[in-house]
Amino acid sequence: SQTIHQWPATLVQPVGSPLSLECTVEGTSNPNLYWYRQAAGRGLQLLFYSVGIGQISSEVPQNLSASRPQDRQFILSSKKLLLSDSGFYLCAWWGQQGARETQYFGPGTRLLVL
Amino acid sequence: GQQLNQSPQSMFIQEGEDVSMNCTSSSIFNTWLWYKQDPGEGPVLLIALYKAGELTSNGRLTAQFGITRKDSFLNISASIPSDVGIYFCSSGGSNYKLTFGKGTLLTVNP
Repeated sequence: SQTIHQWPATLVQPVGSPLSLECTVEGTSNPNLYWYRQAAGRGLQLLFYSVGIGQISSEVPQNLSASRPQDRQFILSSKKLLLSDSGFYLCAWWGQQGARETQYFGPGTRLLVL
Repeated sequence: GQQLNQSPQSMFIQEGEDVSMNCTSSSIFNTWLWYKQDPGEGPVLLIALYKAGELTSNGRLTAQFGITRKDSFLNISASIPSDVGIYFCSSGGSNYKLTFGKGTLLTVNP
């Protein structure tokens, strides 16, 4: 069965510091991968998605970037964090589950920028 | 961009009551997915719908894909305290990108 991992689970970073959040998927190959941000416990904002290695589509202009160095690895980065980057970051994959396709989420990373 | 209108925004009910929430869109979609999110955790998939008119149950949960392909509802029967959380609808077209509703916050009073 498929499993999605995210780390770290929680992160407190000062303004202006760099960021690297990692997401890995097990049990599937060539999944579509997604990064979402959720603020204040409501609303999911799609940040980036990737349909393959090295292929990144950005949905919202911001100081964040994403990379996909391996088939089942998706990384969210920033060179300099802003206060507004605080939130709950969720990784997700879209792929085949039995005969149908669906989307599953990881456990999330809570980021607090001070 | 595409938007989903999810209602109600919040619900306060007594344990044992039935719950109904729905999502509507101005666009036609191929997929409707319903998720539940507990505090501090990622959303968990409850029910997935792939065909107009499809009615699917998962325990006390029932969801339907509207005939027009522009709406879906989720019903919870005989609510219990652990049903508390935020419920999200989402829908997708042919480009593997999902659009999400803003969520329904459910509170169940024991």
